[in-house]
Amino acid sequence: KQEVTQIPAALSVPEGENLVLNCSFTDSAIYNLQWFRQDPGKGLTSLLLIQSSQREQTSGRLNASLDKSSGRSTLYIAASQPGDSATYLCAVTNDYKLSFGAGTTVTVRA
Amino acid sequence: ETGVTQSPTHLIKTRGQQVTLRCSSQSGHNTVSWYQQALGQGPQFIFQYYREEENGRGNFPPRFSGLQFPNYSSELNVNALELDDSALYLCASSPPGLADPYEQYFGPGTRLTVT
Repeated sequence: KQEVTQIPAALSVPEGENLVLNCSFTDSAIYNLQWFRQDPGKGLTSLLLIQSSQREQTSGRLNASLDKSSGRSTLYIAASQPGDSATYLCAVTNDYKLSFGAGTTVTVRA
Repeated sequence: ETGVTQSPTHLIKTRGQQVTLRCSSQSGHNTVSWYQQALGQGPQFIFQYYREEENGRGNFPPRFSGLQFPNYSSELNVNALELDDSALYLCASSPPGLADPYEQYFGPGTRLTVT
């Protein structure tokens, strides 16, 4: 059974600081890994998708790396802004389904 | 292009009742998955439908059932509601063919409260 863990569970930083969010998974036979953003009480917004054959993906201030052999991914958010405050979820695809971590709740202080 | 939509947005039910949640897939997507997200947790996979057939199921009891229609819209039905069924229910659709079949696009969710 795939287990996905996200550390830390919560993070508070001043505006402008870089964010580093960690995700680990137990079964390396994944098809891809996705990072999502979730605002309170809302659905999921896909941020980045990394195929299992890739090492990283970038979109604007966001960069995600994937080390499939060690079962780890890291999401970097550069120059954080108060609008980045949300919960960030990591999910891996095995077969047909996504397995999610519990998320990291980020607060960016103005 | 219309994204994934879900209805209703919120609803409140009493323990023991039955509920039906609805999902319209993103245009052209023929696979739909349902997830349950309890407060403070990550979403948990309930089941997936592909071309109107159940394609896989997570660790949920049989009182959670689903349907997919020819237009690829979907329903999640929950019978004999329990207090622990209170959660955000998320629907996600995936594209067919050469597009990445495992990239899932999520709807806004339905918040179910069981009292």
